[in-house]
Amino acid sequence: AQKITQTQPGMFVQEKEAVTLDCTYDTSDPSYGLFWYKQPSSGEMIFLIYQGSYDQQNATEGRYSLNFQKARKSANLVISASQLGDSAMYFCAILSSNTGKLIFGQGTTLQVKP
Amino acid sequence: ETGVTQSPTHLIKTRGQQVTLRCSSQSGHNTVSWYQQALGQGPQFIFQYYREEENGRGNFPPRFSGLQFPNYSSELNVNALELDDSALYLCASSLLIQGENIQYFGAGTRLSVL
Repeated sequence: AQKITQTQPGMFVQEKEAVTLDCTYDTSDPSYGLFWYKQPSSGEMIFLIYQGSYDQQNATEGRYSLNFQKARKSANLVISASQLGDSAMYFCAILSSNTGKLIFGQGTTLQVKP
Repeated sequence: ETGVTQSPTHLIKTRGQQVTLRCSSQSGHNTVSWYQQALGQGPQFIFQYYREEENGRGNFPPRFSGLQFPNYSSELNVNALELDDSALYLCASSLLIQGENIQYFGAGTRLSVL
């Protein structure tokens, strides 16, 4: 079985500072994908960044980077230069290669302070 | 904009009724997945369709059923609604190819069962 654990229910960050959202995972699949999604209050789940388990380099997408530590089974999201619009719920997810389903964590609520 | 649209945005039903939720996938995507998200929780996988065939199912009873059409639109049907079915229902489309399988979500349908 696969599992995602996000231990931070809520986080605060000052505008323009960087913040790290934690994610650990458990899987027995030899190949898997890790994802981060942002969910504003409107409800839409917005794809942010993807990391394949065999990728040698950490993924980056603009202000988002994924700190992938395979041995520790962690896939933390780093948001640099936080903006007020970054305030939202953030979900880490793992893709099961067998079923194609995403398994999500409980999420972390991020609030950016002006 | 993800190119995935869902309708309706909100819906109110009473216990025992039936409901149909609709999703229009991103053009060219051959896979659609449906998720249920209860308040304060991460989304839970309901099922996935690939080229109009069910391609995986989560831990949901048979009264949750789906269809995928040749034009990549899809439906989620729920019979005999229960109070616990109140949730945000998310549709995600993806292009199932070897390697990455990034799922792009719509804004969801908020279902309230009274």
